[in-house]
Amino acid sequence: EAGVTQFPSHSVIEKGQTVTLRCDPISGHDNLYWYRRVMGKEIKFLLHFVKESKQDESGMPNNRFLAERTGGTYSTLKVQPAELEDSGVYFCASRGYGDDPGEQYFGPGTRLTVT
Amino acid sequence: AQTVTQSQPEMSVQEAETVTLSCTYDTSENNYYLFWYKQPPSRQMILVIRQEAYKQQNATENRFSVNFQKAAKSFSLKISDSQLGDTAMYFCAFMKGDYKLSFGAGTTVTVRA
Repeated sequence: EAGVTQFPSHSVIEKGQTVTLRCDPISGHDNLYWYRRVMGKEIKFLLHFVKESKQDESGMPNNRFLAERTGGTYSTLKVQPAELEDSGVYFCASRGYGDDPGEQYFGPGTRLTVT
Repeated sequence: AQTVTQSQPEMSVQEAETVTLSCTYDTSENNYYLFWYKQPPSRQMILVIRQEAYKQQNATENRFSVNFQKAAKSFSLKISDSQLGDTAMYFCAFMKGDYKLSFGAGTTVTVRA
């Protein structure tokens, strides 16, 4: 069974540019989460999809961030325009319906550097 | 919002020895879950061990065990018989019924040969 995959693994962009991160969850997993770790700090929750619906987007920092999950499969997270403070590692995780709480399967993360 | 604190940024342990990682949290909830996740270098984060707050018995998974002190809001992880493959960053995490995880800042564990 393939795990959670994320693309790209690294992205370096200039301030003001746009970047789109992609997450492919484990096939069949209805729940998809985005988290972010800013350098040296805690991993923070961004949002939670159930299928294609946003269940909780309370962690999204501002309206420069847009997450989508059309069709309830893969998800994208777009940052437009990127700012220096957006640098960090963006993690995606998925969980199947009925799986134990905390049984979130994480992707390897996308390291975003905004210069 | 829940706060999870890991006060040890780095820990080093000799192979076959035991190391204990500390974690404290702050919540007003009575029912919740606690977790330890492990992220090896350049690899994905994986769940190591979980504890339900309503269970008094401490969880164990092979060489990994926790000391859960609900009144003190403490949740430490003990790694026994440390192996080189245990080298990783370890994150303590909290979850209530909304299924979103709140993480600590992480502790880097290095196992020395």
